[in-house]
Amino acid sequence: SQTIHQWPATLVQPVGSPLSLECTVEGTSNPNLYWYRQAAGRGLQLLFYSVGIGQISSEVPQNLSASRPQDRQFILSSKKLLLSDSGFYLCAWSAGDRRTEAFFGQGTRLTVV
Amino acid sequence: GDSVTQMEGPVTLSEEAFLTINCTYTATGYPSLFWYVQYPGEGLQLLLKATKADDKGSNKGFEATYRKETTSFHLEKGSVQVSDSAVYFCALSARAGGTSYGKLTFGQGTILTVHP
Repeated sequence: SQTIHQWPATLVQPVGSPLSLECTVEGTSNPNLYWYRQAAGRGLQLLFYSVGIGQISSEVPQNLSASRPQDRQFILSSKKLLLSDSGFYLCAWSAGDRRTEAFFGQGTRLTVV
Repeated sequence: GDSVTQMEGPVTLSEEAFLTINCTYTATGYPSLFWYVQYPGEGLQLLLKATKADDKGSNKGFEATYRKETTSFHLEKGSVQVSDSAVYFCALSARAGGTSYGKLTFGQGTILTVHP
């Protein structure tokens, strides 16, 4: 069966520091991968998605970037965090075929102080 | 663009009460529709789905029917339990284009609290 791992679970970082969140998927190949952000009390916003190694699409302009160095690895980064980057970050995957549901990791709670 | 509108919460019910959470959508083409549930401090879990008009998704006593004529996908459960307390998200996935699969548009979420 497929599993998705996301770490760390919680992170407190000072303003201006770098960020690296990692997500890996097991049990499938060539998945579509996604990063979502959930701001406090709000719904989820798609930040990035990837349909293959090195292929990244950004949905919203922001202070963050994403990379996919391996088929089942997806990384969310920032060179300098802002207070507004605080939130709950969720990685997700979906099969690279016509099935449409996405499956989520446990999330990372990021607090920028 | 695509959008999902959920009834505003929070919703507070007593155990064994009937639950309805309304969800309507706007999308081009024929989207797939989903309900996800999020327990405190956790990621989202897929609760149920429907991929075409008149499909009924069901899981753990929850049901939702894909109504194309009213562009709705309301979540229902006949008798809620304390363990159902969570945030519920309605979502759609666009069907057009190979790279759109799995890209979800979410509603704002509805907080459900069930008291004993």
